[in-house]
Amino acid sequence: GAVVSQHPSWVICKSGTSVKIECRSLDFQATTMFWYRQFPKQSLMLMATSNEGSKATYEQGVEKDKFLINHASLTLSTLTVTSAHPEDSSFYICSATTGITDTQYFGPGTRLTVL
Amino acid sequence: QKEVEQDPGPLSVPEGAIVSLNCTYSNSAFQYFMWYRQYSRKGPELLMYTYSSGNKEDGRFTAQVDKSSKYISLFIRDSQPSDSATYLCAMSATGNNRLAFGKGNQVVVIP
Repeated sequence: GAVVSQHPSWVICKSGTSVKIECRSLDFQATTMFWYRQFPKQSLMLMATSNEGSKATYEQGVEKDKFLINHASLTLSTLTVTSAHPEDSSFYICSATTGITDTQYFGPGTRLTVL
Repeated sequence: QKEVEQDPGPLSVPEGAIVSLNCTYSNSAFQYFMWYRQYSRKGPELLMYTYSSGNKEDGRFTAQVDKSSKYISLFIRDSQPSDSATYLCAMSATGNNRLAFGKGNQVVVIP
């Protein structure tokens, strides 16, 4: 149980384009989903927290107009990187929590490369 | 002082050895303690989850929490090459879903 999927697993795009990443909880309803960014050999950096039906809460220094988060249902959250630039290239990981405990279950990650 | 301290390693051990990993933390409000395993280019996988102090065992894995010392440990018995990964400790306070992570400890099990 507690499986989280992400799509796509990797994406390459041109500078200036937008990219959408989906995060789904497959076998549970996720009251809260989180989006992280991870640079090579570093730990996870929390970008934002989203609750179903509410606006996402962004961490300090994360541009909400650049990283658009939508949490339309209890099983789906999306992250859209708008007007992507090479410095946005990274590994993006989502996680979800059932709310019953504070455990987060992570997706497999999406590797974004912006040319 | 960082909220969670974890020696990034790397830690190399021969196959069959016991792997010992640990984290220290400063926030006494932390009540939930987790260990995640992350293979290269993959998302973290939950290994162990412990509430408050005590020990928890699951197969070859044992997690220990000592809240009085603000110290948590993960032990891997009979280590296998497939255990080679980065191990992240994480913790959170009651009523707060945010996780505080350690830097991650890279473990290499040599056949």
